[in-house]
Amino acid sequence: EVQLMESGGGLVQPGRSLRLSCAASGFTFGNYAMHWVRQAPGKGLEWVSGISWSSGYVRYADSVKDRFTISRDNAKNSLYLQVNSLRTEDTALYYCARDIYGVLRSPDYWGQGTLVTVSS
Amino acid sequence: QSALTQPASVSGSPGQSITISCTGTSSDIGGYNYVSWYQQLPGKAPKLLISDVSNRPSGVSNRFSASKSGNTASLTISGLQAEDEADYYCSSYTSNITPVVFGGGTRLTVL
Repeated sequence: EVQLMESGGGLVQPGRSLRLSCAASGFTFGNYAMHWVRQAPGKGLEWVSGISWSSGYVRYADSVKDRFTISRDNAKNSLYLQVNSLRTEDTALYYCARDIYGVLRSPDYWGQGTLVTVSS
Repeated sequence: QSALTQPASVSGSPGQSITISCTGTSSDIGGYNYVSWYQQLPGKAPKLLISDVSNRPSGVSNRFSASKSGNTASLTISGLQAEDEADYYCSSYTSNITPVVFGGGTRLTVL
């Protein structure tokens, strides 16, 4: 059974940083691209960042570019998102999602999310 | 503003069929067959219903079907049930810098 479990969220002041993690199990993690998708309270889904199976291809939404960094450790079956210079508009539930493919095309399995709240 | 356009809400009675549209451009829906649909029940994570335009993963009810014509994709739910009441999102691969875009979501109300 595919399982994705996010962690690392919390309440943080504007301008501070967090590192989100996603532990994967139930599939060969190194074969799949991975995504971070967020959902602000009461809002829709927003794609944040993605990384190919080999880490050779990474992309970011314009809203987070130069502030967020995605990475993965295939040996540890883990996905990460370093989020810096946080803004109040970054407040959201952050989901880790697996892609159907090894490259960034379409998320299939999703975790339950980790909540990031940015407030002074 | 979302890159893909969905109606904010749709409704239907039990047993009826409804269709949710998702309109993009030739850079996303019209140019590639990587269109997906997700169901998000209240307080839950999104669940994949349809991938690659019309492919239904194992375990997803055959009451859910989807298609694409030009720059518009569509999700049809037949035999509406109360448990179908949820938010539905489309997504597509895009040739833009950000490779995945979502629709704004459609809230389905079962009357």
